[in-house]
Amino acid sequence: QSVMTQPPSASGTPGQRVTISCSGSNSNVGSNSVFWHQQLPGTAPKLLIYKTNQRPSGVPDRFSGSKSGTSASLTITGLRSEDEADYYCTVWDDSLSAVVFGGGTKLTVL
Amino acid sequence: QITLKESGPTLLKPTQTLTLTCTFSGFSLSSSGLGVGWIRQSPGKALEWLALIYWNDEKRYSPSLKNRLTIMKDTSKNQVVLIMTNMDPVDTATYYCAHDCTSPSCNEMGLDYWGQGILVTVSS
Repeated sequence: QSVMTQPPSASGTPGQRVTISCSGSNSNVGSNSVFWHQQLPGTAPKLLIYKTNQRPSGVPDRFSGSKSGTSASLTITGLRSEDEADYYCTVWDDSLSAVVFGGGTKLTVL
Repeated sequence: QITLKESGPTLLKPTQTLTLTCTFSGFSLSSSGLGVGWIRQSPGKALEWLALIYWNDEKRYSPSLKNRLTIMKDTSKNQVVLIMTNMDPVDTATYYCAHDCTSPSCNEMGLDYWGQGILVTVSS
């Protein structure tokens, strides 16, 4: 069981806005940058958001990240069918001295 | 262009030792702020972080697996090796290596480039 909690599933229709949460603690989300990775079916994870709210080159601005206290969020606006994937929050945990992944959220585009 | 590729055995018997090699290009592990990590994913399950090695040879391990893991680097060969002892069927997973950027010079982007992964099956 991960030290960071994500909802196991989320869904939306094309064009909608979807938010995926990641709940942690003071030793991880509360004190360090949050990263988000997208994993399309059958492929390796891809970096989607770094340093909590920064997008790598090539990631559409429909994807955004934020953080408040010990919770982080990934928001996708203008949902598209190709966004159907698993999404993981990732953060360094100071207490564990380790990288921790959230349990992942499977996003379904209806 | 940064690329990474995992190699090693794809089938092991219980109690055997797994040795995986990550061969990379497009960066040097002698560059300050860079590292290479290993992550695995059991079928249908979430990502699980295993270990990281940094440019200065600093190492970090998953607390739950640290007694079974060893990570090392060969900077001259652009390779990072992960050794996991006493393999069990529950260790069946796809194992990924990834480039890790902790330096402002690469925007502190974390695990930003991943290999394609290698499926390792443990079965008697």
